[in-house]
Amino acid sequence: DTGVSQDPRHKITKRGQNVTFRCDPISEHNRLYWYRQTLGQGPEFLTYFQNEAQLEKSRLLSDRFSAERPKGSFSTLEIQRTEQGDSAMYLCASGEYEQYFGPGTRLTVT
Amino acid sequence: QKEVEQDPGPLSVPEGAIVSLNCTYSNSAFQYFMWYRQYSRKGPELLMYTYSSGNKEDGRFTAQVDKSSKYISLFIRDSQPSDSATYLCAMPGGSQGNLIFGKGTKLSVKP
Repeated sequence: DTGVSQDPRHKITKRGQNVTFRCDPISEHNRLYWYRQTLGQGPEFLTYFQNEAQLEKSRLLSDRFSAERPKGSFSTLEIQRTEQGDSAMYLCASGEYEQYFGPGTRLTVT
Repeated sequence: QKEVEQDPGPLSVPEGAIVSLNCTYSNSAFQYFMWYRQYSRKGPELLMYTYSSGNKEDGRFTAQVDKSSKYISLFIRDSQPSDSATYLCAMPGGSQGNLIFGKGTKLSVKP
């Protein structure tokens, strides 16, 4: 197993467009987390999955954001009607208390 | 007051120096403490993971937890230019184990 992977690594989009990111966690991990990181800040929690169930969502996750984890394997994070304030690094992590992060998807909204 | 406080630096040291990185936290219920290293434009990499108070050593890295003071430290001995990165402390503070991070300290080790 090569760890957590994310795709794409970088996405540039125009304001108002929809974008979707994918995360493939470490295969034996039931827990999957999404975080967002802006420049000069630590990652901030967005949402959490236990297998296929989305069990918690942060206040940061506005109604333009939706996440899924069908069959408890990979996960997707979709942002609809992107805004410039959505520009950030979107990070996926899997694991229990020891969380292992993927390389992130850097989103730039122009 | 933020739950986890960390001086963002930047911190610049000469190669071979001992580096001390620190975080304070406000919630006495925190039991697990992590240090992550993040290179520019990469995801955080788990460096050290400790439970409760005490010290844990791994090669050139030592993590120290003082729960009575709500203070954690990461020491790097014989620092190398390859240690230049941002170091983030984190604790699972959310109801589902989601991590609460400090802002990160940017470290630069000069040859």
